[in-house]
Parts: sequence; C-alpha cells; structure tokens
Amino acid sequence: QVQLKESGPGLVQPSQTLSLTCTVSGFSLTSNSVHWVRQPPGKGLEWVGAIWSGGSTDYNSALKSRLSISRDTSKSQVFLKMNSLQTEDTAIYFCALFNYGRWGQGTLVTVSS
Amino acid sequence: DVVLTQTPVSLSVTLGDQASISCRSSQSLEYSDGYTYLEWYLQKPGQSPQLLIYEVSNRFSGVPDRFIGSGSGTDFTLKISRVEPEDLGVYYCFQATHDPLTFGSGTKLEIK
Repeated sequence: QVQLKESGPGLVQPSQTLSLTCTVSGFSLTSNSVHWVRQPPGKGLEWVGAIWSGGSTDYNSALKSRLSISRDTSKSQVFLKMNSLQTEDTAIYFCALFNYGRWGQGTLVTVSS
Repeated sequence: DVVLTQTPVSLSVTLGDQASISCRSSQSLEYSDGYTYLEWYLQKPGQSPQLLIYEVSNRFSGVPDRFIGSGSGTDFTLKISRVEPEDLGVYYCFQATHDPLTFGSGTKLEIK
C-alpha cells in the first residue's frame, strides 16, 4: 500500500533552517518521483520542488536559493531542507507521489520566535 | 514560470446543478511528447488534495464520471455535473509540463 508521511519540527525560529522528512512505503524511490507542496494557512497550494526517480531535483524558482531536496533510498526517505526561514514560510508542508495520486497528511511548520 | 489563472474565484451551486471552472495558462501546456500535463485536484476541508483528472481529461481511479475535464493548449475546463454535497472544497488546476511546476490559485465551490 502506497503511503507517505511527513515529519519535522512544528516550530522553527526566523532565520533558522527547516528540515523535513518524508517517509514512504509501498513503492520504490528509484522508480518514482516525490514532490513537496506547501500551503500557508488559509491560502492556496504552492509547488516547492521534486526529486526525480534518477535523483535529480527541480525547485520552485522563488525558493531555489534556499532549498535542497535529497533522499536516502535505503531508508525510503526524502528530505527537504530550507534555510533562512521567514514568517512567510509558515505553512503545511506535504510530500506527494503525483503519479499514484497519493499525498501525505501534511505537517504544519510555524516560523516564529 | 507558467501562470495558471483560475476563474471564478468562488462558485455557489445548487445541489444537482452543473459547475464549471476555467483554468487558463500563460503558455501552451502541450509537451514535446504530445501529451498535455494538466491536472485537477480537489481539496476538501481539513484534508490533503486529491487527484481528480490527469492529462486534461482522464479521470483518476475512483473519480465519478460527473467530473469531466476538457481543453487544449492554454485553455482548460473542469465541469462537475449534478453537484453533490461531497463535492464542496477548493479546486486547483496544476501543470507538470514546464519546470517549475505550478498550481492555479484555486476555486472554492460552495453548496447553496
């Protein structure tokens, strides 16, 4: 059964680095791409970036300079790292397997001192 | 970046009536392989988004045939015939043709 689950700190201080993990099951990371999407409270969806089956990455243009996505295929995990966090980065962060139509439940990240 | 403009921003529909949502792209979404990677998602209150339509007009597994996607190039439409209570939420179009990938700004469907 295909599943994705996000985990990470609920609260991050401004200017600090956010680290999130997406733990997947039921499929291979070397055969599928995993995407990150975020949603500020009460607002729309924003594509953050993706790691493709071959390991290459693509990022949202506005976030590219602060963002890194990587993976550990042996642990079935995908990682998101975003530095220099600001209050505007407060959002629910989802990981998703688009071609299976599967999303994680999302994890709320609040940027606040 | 490709901008997807959705209209209307919100829609109030009587149960059993039809709803129509437009998604207009700033660039053609036809990829070099001949496919058009335009999808539609529904996000119900308090839930993760769920895929309804992929490649313009293909319904995802389990999606009722009341949901109909159409369009080409830069203009796309999602029609929901015979709206039911469980259809309420926010609908998003999404393009995966051009990097970076982008979502539309959403259309909120309310039931009258």
